Amino acid sequence: DAKTTQPTSMDCAEGRAANLPCNHSTISGNEYVYWYRQIHSQGPQYIIHGLKNNETNEMASLIITEDRKSSTLILPHATLRDTAVYYCIVRVGSLGLTFGKGTHLIIQP
Amino acid sequence: GAVVSQHPSWVICKSGTSVKIECRSLDFQATTMFWYRQFPKQSLMLMATSNEGSKATYEQGVEKDKFLINHASLTLSTLTVTSAHPEDSSFYICSARGGERANTEAFFGQGTRLTVV
Repeated sequence: DAKTTQPTSMDCAEGRAANLPCNHSTISGNEYVYWYRQIHSQGPQYIIHGLKNNETNEMASLIITEDRKSSTLILPHATLRDTAVYYCIVRVGSLGLTFGKGTHLIIQP
Repeated sequence: GAVVSQHPSWVICKSGTSVKIECRSLDFQATTMFWYRQFPKQSLMLMATSNEGSKATYEQGVEKDKFLINHASLTLSTLTVTSAHPEDSSFYICSARGGERANTEAFFGQGTRLTVV
């Protein structure tokens, strides 16, 4: 799996959009970009994934650059409950996920 | 999203005993299940991958005779930690994916915190 680079931590004000960047410059053509988050002492929660096109669901939006070397996860209106570690993972096929250190997002009241 | 349930949520056992952790997919058939381990302040580490009806594939450094995995049905996988020792104390998490498409997402259980005393 391609490696990803994420900032160690980020702060965001409650009610504002949280934009979490991820670099995956060595991504291959058949690898998808996945985002998960983990709230303390819980299992990871699936957020969204995509291949080339931008994606949106009820939780977030995923913006993937045209060259696919980076992406941004957008939480449109962050709440305190969005405080968590966010993992950007690129993966092909049915392999297990390789978790990096992720970004610790702290939503400030 | 789909629901994956783990049981128990936490367990304390004596050194030398064995502990079984169950992972169930409640609303889908899990063709593939994964087991992870997470030590404090560290990220999740993949331990093994199991497909229903076949032997699990273990990651390098994970002892297959110590961590027994059974995936006997499309909705249940079990992880048995045999002869547990204090260094096996960790947060064990399973995940399951239900499709064969390359982009099928995996869903995670809530995790099991194992403490060996």
